[in-house]
Amino acid sequence: DVKVTQSSRYLVKRTGEKVFLECVQDMDHENMFWYRQDPGLGLRLIYFSYDVKMKEKGDIPEGYSVSREKKERFSLILESASTNQTSMYLCASSLRLGGNYGYTFGSGTRLTVV
Amino acid sequence: AQTVTQSQPEMSVQEAETVTLSCTYDTSESDYYLFWYKQPPSRQMILVIRQEAYKQQNATENRFSVNFQKAAKSFSLKISDSQLGDAAMYFCTQTQGGSEKLVFGKGTKLTVNP
Repeated sequence: DVKVTQSSRYLVKRTGEKVFLECVQDMDHENMFWYRQDPGLGLRLIYFSYDVKMKEKGDIPEGYSVSREKKERFSLILESASTNQTSMYLCASSLRLGGNYGYTFGSGTRLTVV
Repeated sequence: AQTVTQSQPEMSVQEAETVTLSCTYDTSESDYYLFWYKQPPSRQMILVIRQEAYKQQNATENRFSVNFQKAAKSFSLKISDSQLGDAAMYFCTQTQGGSEKLVFGKGTKLTVNP
């Protein structure tokens, strides 16, 4: 019954590496989001997408980019990983309706940059 | 910028007792949505309850209910008959600027004591 799948649960990368975090949803949702979760800071929005090939910056986009070539897949890219990007990354999706019915989240990817 | 404030970083409750988690928010919108999410140690974020701002009636989902005070911009979560499985981080969220983005509070860690 998996609905939002993040490709890796744990990831360790070296400083300067290009890192790809993948997220796939099987619910035909229009909206997809990438959040970063840090202790004491809650969840902060990195990027989101309302449609294929469409993206908008969130609150903390610096050092990140995204790709959405297909409706079901939303990738987060760390162009050159740095230690301050060590964090939990959460992907989410939602339907685009007149109302807001909340997000469905993936299980998160805990990224460590060494 | 819109903010969501959870003033209790940690709370504890005895099994079978009732606990209330506090949340205040800030918005200039007249129509918006509020949510509580639960994140257990497994990391999967789960939607607990949803409130539409234009509805005065407080939302209820089984043992979970909210006290929505629109004028005070307060949205507290009450958990009745607490169970060990309720132990988790709880996040209060609101829709941002009429969009489908969510702004999250920093979370409240709930411990349930047997």
